[in-house]
Amino acid sequence: AQKITQTQPGMFVQEKEAVTLDCTYDTSDQSYGLFWYKQPSSGEMIFLIYQGSYDEQNATEGRYSLNFQKARKSANLVISASQLGDSAMYFCAMRADLNTGFQKLVFGTGTRLLVSP
Amino acid sequence: EPEVTQTPSHQVTQMGQEVILRCVPISNHLYFYWYRQILGQKVEFLVSFYNNEISEKSEIFDDQFSVERPDGSNFTLKIRSTKLEDSAMYFCASSEDREPTDTQYFGPGTRLTVL
Repeated sequence: AQKITQTQPGMFVQEKEAVTLDCTYDTSDQSYGLFWYKQPSSGEMIFLIYQGSYDEQNATEGRYSLNFQKARKSANLVISASQLGDSAMYFCAMRADLNTGFQKLVFGTGTRLLVSP
Repeated sequence: EPEVTQTPSHQVTQMGQEVILRCVPISNHLYFYWYRQILGQKVEFLVSFYNNEISEKSEIFDDQFSVERPDGSNFTLKIRSTKLEDSAMYFCASSEDREPTDTQYFGPGTRLTVL
């Protein structure tokens, strides 16, 4: 079975600074995908960034980058130059388990990020 | 940019009533999903759907739940007899493919309140 652990219930960062949101995962599958989603207070789930288990380079999307350390089973999200609009809940998720079904997403408990001026 | 849409955005119902939550997945996507998020908790998988069949379902998805693709664009989740504990945000998602590397795109959600 897969498991995602986000140990930071809340994080604070000042505007324009960088912040790292932690995510560790557990799976016995060799092929898996790791995803980060942002959930603002309005409730929608916004896809941010993806990392495949076979990708050798860390994923980047604009101000978002994923610090992927396969041996440590971690996939931390780095947000550079934080903006007030980054204040939201952030969920790490994994998709794996090739042998059953269609690879549902398994989510962590989330980290609430608050960006202060 | 194509997006997943969901209606209604908010549904209030009495316990025991039936509700139907509607979703329009991204048009070229073939795999559809429902997730739910009880207030303040993490997002939980309910069901996945492909080729007019359920491909996987969770323990939460009991006989009170059903899904359907009634036409070429809509994907619905029906709860036959709602309970108080069904109050949650329900997200529809779709993906182009079933691979672990394939991104699931979420709709804005339907907040269901059962009184």
